Amino acid sequence: GAVVSQHPSRVICKSGTSVKIECRSLDFQATTMFWYRQFPKQSLMLMATSNEGSKATYEQGVEKDKFLINHASLTLSTLTVTSAHPEDSSFYICSGSGLAELETQYFGPGTRLLVL
Amino acid sequence: AQSVTQLGSHVSVSEGALVLLRCNYSSSVPPYLFWYVQYPNQGLQLLLKYTSAATLVKGINGFEAEFKKSETSFHLTKPSAHMSDAAEYFCAVSDGGSNYKLTFGKGTLLTVNP
Repeated sequence: GAVVSQHPSRVICKSGTSVKIECRSLDFQATTMFWYRQFPKQSLMLMATSNEGSKATYEQGVEKDKFLINHASLTLSTLTVTSAHPEDSSFYICSGSGLAELETQYFGPGTRLLVL
Repeated sequence: AQSVTQLGSHVSVSEGALVLLRCNYSSSVPPYLFWYVQYPNQGLQLLLKYTSAATLVKGINGFEAEFKKSETSFHLTKPSAHMSDAAEYFCAVSDGGSNYKLTFGKGTLLTVNP
């Protein structure tokens, strides 16, 4: 299967600071990338969908000014959590899909964010 | 609208026993169906997918699933459980619209007893 990486794998930051998470497709061109949030022992919650070169589409209830998503190339998407607060602490997972398998999402390993 | 129901949040089996994880879906159009596995503190790994070809789908690690339209089910099975199969399993459905967005079930935690 296709490979997606995320960086960093875990990050601790102070309340009020911003954190950027990178998501890269390593062996395919991800025309669409997705960002999810997962709380402990729960399923994945889709935050937003982004197509390369376009603005991201956010799910209802997700603050687009707080969770900035950029998908500038076919292999890189970034999620920036601005002015992070303790309630933003979570496990963030990205995924990508390419033209060869539009219907299939390949997931990154996730990023654990802890806001103090 | 699409939805997924995974029956049983926790399934426990003995090593060597049959694994059966249940998934029922709802979709207004022919669906794409997926099973993913998640190990602790890791992302999701694709086990197998159904995309309207053969109804019996074989995946990695000896898992397979059968698409049954009449029952709106896509149950995951493995003939003989291994200790390394212990993980969280998610069933997901896509109706092909909206960039093939996935709707996930709540997950089933599989534990394997020695």
